[in-house]
Amino acid sequence: EAGVTQFPSHSVIEKGQTVTLRCDPISGHDNLYWYRRVMGKEIKFLLHFVKESKQDESGMPNNRFLAERTGGTYSTLKVQPAELEDSGVYFCASGGTSRYNEQFFGPGTRLTVL
Amino acid sequence: QKEVEQNSGPLSVPEGAIASLNCTYSDRVSQSFFWYRQYSGKSPELIMSIYSNGDKEDGRFTAQLNKASQYVSLLIRDSQPSDSATYLCAALNQAGTALIFGKGTTLSVSS
Repeated sequence: EAGVTQFPSHSVIEKGQTVTLRCDPISGHDNLYWYRRVMGKEIKFLLHFVKESKQDESGMPNNRFLAERTGGTYSTLKVQPAELEDSGVYFCASGGTSRYNEQFFGPGTRLTVL
Repeated sequence: QKEVEQNSGPLSVPEGAIASLNCTYSDRVSQSFFWYRQYSGKSPELIMSIYSNGDKEDGRFTAQLNKASQYVSLLIRDSQPSDSATYLCAALNQAGTALIFGKGTTLSVSS
């Protein structure tokens, strides 16, 4: 069974540019999560989808971040316009319908904003 | 602000020893706890989940949960150099969706 995949693995952009990150969850997983790790800090929750619906976006830092999950399969996270403080590693995780909400992480996208 | 605290380490143990990793959490409502292992530049890998007070064993790993003390630990028996990694403790939030992570403890096992 394929794990969570993310694309790209690395992205280097200039401040003010737009970047779109993609996540493909484990097949059959309805739950999809985005997290971010800023250098020196812990991994922090951004938002949660159940199928195509946003269940919790309380962790989204501001309106420069837009997440979508059309059709309830893969998800994209767009940052527009990017700022220096957006640099970090963006992780996607997916989970099935287990009552314990186990989450399985992808390899992450390392975003550097110059 | 709900938090999960871990000693950042590094924790150094010789090969074959028991490594003990500890974690405390602030939200008494948290019900589920997880340990992830992360090698440098790789994704966090789920290695243990625990939901009830007491011990849960899986191979060389034992997770321990004490909800009264708000304390979670991970024991690694017969530590191997391949266990050298950062270990992340996480608690599920009150809504049962988002994971709240600690900063991680770096473990180094010397041969």
